[in-house]
Amino acid sequence: DQQVKQNSPSLSVQEGRISILNCDYTNSMFDYFLWYKKYPAEGPTFLISISSIKDKNEDGRFTVFLNKSAKHLSLHIVPSQPGDSAVYFCAASLRLYSGAGSYQLTFGKGTKLSVIP
Amino acid sequence: KAGVTQTPRYLIKTRGQQVTLSCSPISGHRSVSWYQQTPGQGLQFLFEYFSETQRNKGNFPGRFSGRQFSNSRSEMNVSTLELGDSALYLCASSSGWDRRIQNTEAFFGQGTRLTVV
Repeated sequence: DQQVKQNSPSLSVQEGRISILNCDYTNSMFDYFLWYKKYPAEGPTFLISISSIKDKNEDGRFTVFLNKSAKHLSLHIVPSQPGDSAVYFCAASLRLYSGAGSYQLTFGKGTKLSVIP
Repeated sequence: KAGVTQTPRYLIKTRGQQVTLSCSPISGHRSVSWYQQTPGQGLQFLFEYFSETQRNKGNFPGRFSGRQFSNSRSEMNVSTLELGDSALYLCASSSGWDRRIQNTEAFFGQGTRLTVV
């Protein structure tokens, strides 16, 4: 049972336009969401995160939107650049302990973004 | 500040052998998690250690084990290797969840590419 889903395996966008990557989740207990970018043969690089108490978080060209009622989040990249071409993973976290808690991430299967010059 | 270091980067083993992978987290981080990435399953959580204790474990067989040392460095071991264990193994470090900190992120190493032949 896949708790975090990225339904688009790939996305192509023209340079300078907006890239929108989508993610859906099923577990309403998830309370923290993250986006990671990954190049082949490298570890994921953290991009941006959002707590479940917020509905938007912005960092430069990257904005994450969270719609808790729909159990949906999206990552917007504006403007898209060729260097943004990578696989993007959506991840959700479930805090299991109070205090300094356990950190388990559940990942989607990723969306490969290609930004065309 | 040094990042997460995983050794070795690449490893080739034969079926039935065992393997030990190493991870040094970011200085000051006490939580270390391990993930397996395969083309078919994406990134899957193996286990998480905090202060030398395994606090959380994913759905993997007992052949997969780990430990954490007092300096927070962690090792994972896979015994009786199978062809299906071929994957990129990623280690992530985090300071651990803290109520006072809204945003905590897990930072990944570059991974160890294990090939079982």
